[in-house]
Amino acid sequence: SAVISQKPSRDICQRGTSLTIQCQVDSQVTMMFWYRQQPGQSLTLIATANQGSEATYESGFVIDKFPISRPNLTFSTLTVSNMSPEDSSIYLCSVGGLYGYTFGSGTRLTVV
Amino acid sequence: DAKTTQPPSMDCAEGRAANLPCNHSTISGNEYVYWYRQIHSQGPQYIIHGLKNNETNEMASLIITEDRKSSTLILPHATLRDTAVYYCIVRGYYGGSQGNLIFGKGTKLSVKP
Repeated sequence: SAVISQKPSRDICQRGTSLTIQCQVDSQVTMMFWYRQQPGQSLTLIATANQGSEATYESGFVIDKFPISRPNLTFSTLTVSNMSPEDSSIYLCSVGGLYGYTFGSGTRLTVV
Repeated sequence: DAKTTQPPSMDCAEGRAANLPCNHSTISGNEYVYWYRQIHSQGPQYIIHGLKNNETNEMASLIITEDRKSSTLILPHATLRDTAVYYCIVRGYYGGSQGNLIFGKGTKLSVKP
């Protein structure tokens, strides 16, 4: 299965600022997925990122708040913009494979 | 909304089998059952998946009822390191298709000494 490197692993940010999270995969993949996990909650899909096209966002998530880049088949970034304390969550990237999905280790974001 | 129903929590004694149930009564014929687990502060980890036959790998066994409306994940000899939240997920798998996973609330399994 694919190996995902996600960074930063954690960060503490001031409200009103932005943070960009990077996700690097060791193999080429068509789709990459970004999830959010709020404290004590399950994972919620933010968007699906395809190389060469705009990301597809789930209900409740918008591009202005969570812009995504997908410059090639092994890399993607998620930016959390104009952060507020409600954005404090773990953010995870994921890729699919023949037999299952692999997840990054997550970025634990705290907004103060 | 998630298509599965799981108990919110379960306890298991170390060394005993852990049997985690999942109801998926609205599963369609082309949907697979996937199981993942999330150990605290880590990303979810794939465990096993199946369509209609029982499956076994080095981590667990998956038992799917004949009508496919429910399944059970079995960890044959639970250890303390198996303490995690276990997610049962159904989704279609179309040979190379890579759609997203939809997570429910899962079952928090606590393995106790």
